[in-house]
Amino acid sequence: EAQVTQNPRYLITVTGKKLTVTCSQNMNHEYMSWYRQDPGLGLRQIYYSMNVEVTDKGDVPEGYKVSRKEKRNFPLILESPSPNQTSLYFCASSFQGQGSGNTIYFGEGSWLTVV
Amino acid sequence: GNSVTQMEGPVTLSEEAFLTINCTYTATGYPSLFWYVQYPGEGLQLLLKATKADDKGSNKGFEATYRKETTSFHLEKGSVQVSDSAVYFCALKRANYGQNFVFGPGTRLSVLP
Repeated sequence: EAQVTQNPRYLITVTGKKLTVTCSQNMNHEYMSWYRQDPGLGLRQIYYSMNVEVTDKGDVPEGYKVSRKEKRNFPLILESPSPNQTSLYFCASSFQGQGSGNTIYFGEGSWLTVV
Repeated sequence: GNSVTQMEGPVTLSEEAFLTINCTYTATGYPSLFWYVQYPGEGLQLLLKATKADDKGSNKGFEATYRKETTSFHLEKGSVQVSDSAVYFCALKRANYGQNFVFGPGTRLSVLP
């Protein structure tokens, strides 16, 4: 079954304690991305990756890091989480082909609370 | 730049009512347009898409037509059901510009029995 898998789905952590949210896809997609969803703000892109070892900042990258060492994995790292990073996070992936019609697939989301 | 504007809602309708959620976009070139739906507690799922002007995307009774002249991609359904209650996101992806998607803020729809 084609899917994007994120872990953990739910996490409560304390300010300053490093955490990693993992993301894995089994569709051999080149493109992967992280979004955060906040009330009234919709989806905002944090980082994206066009392929292995190729990453770039989205609209709200501050406080986050990513890496793309393998095609299937794209972890999101919060080195020193702060309460304003409390949010719902989505990982997504897609083929990186010619043209513009490719669909993006989303994981189920990770609820992160920083206290 | 590229952006998507949609009515933020919330939209509350009675079952079997007609639904329209407006979406307009700003983009250079010829983007593909999408509607995604997020049911409570779940991730986003593709509802329908259109890749060029005058294309009509349709799925599960929902329709949207890519209108280049008005830069719009309004979502419609003739008769909504309680199970359609969800948040709907309009999105665009620019042609030949990687896979960078731009999402609207989402519209929450509540359908009452």
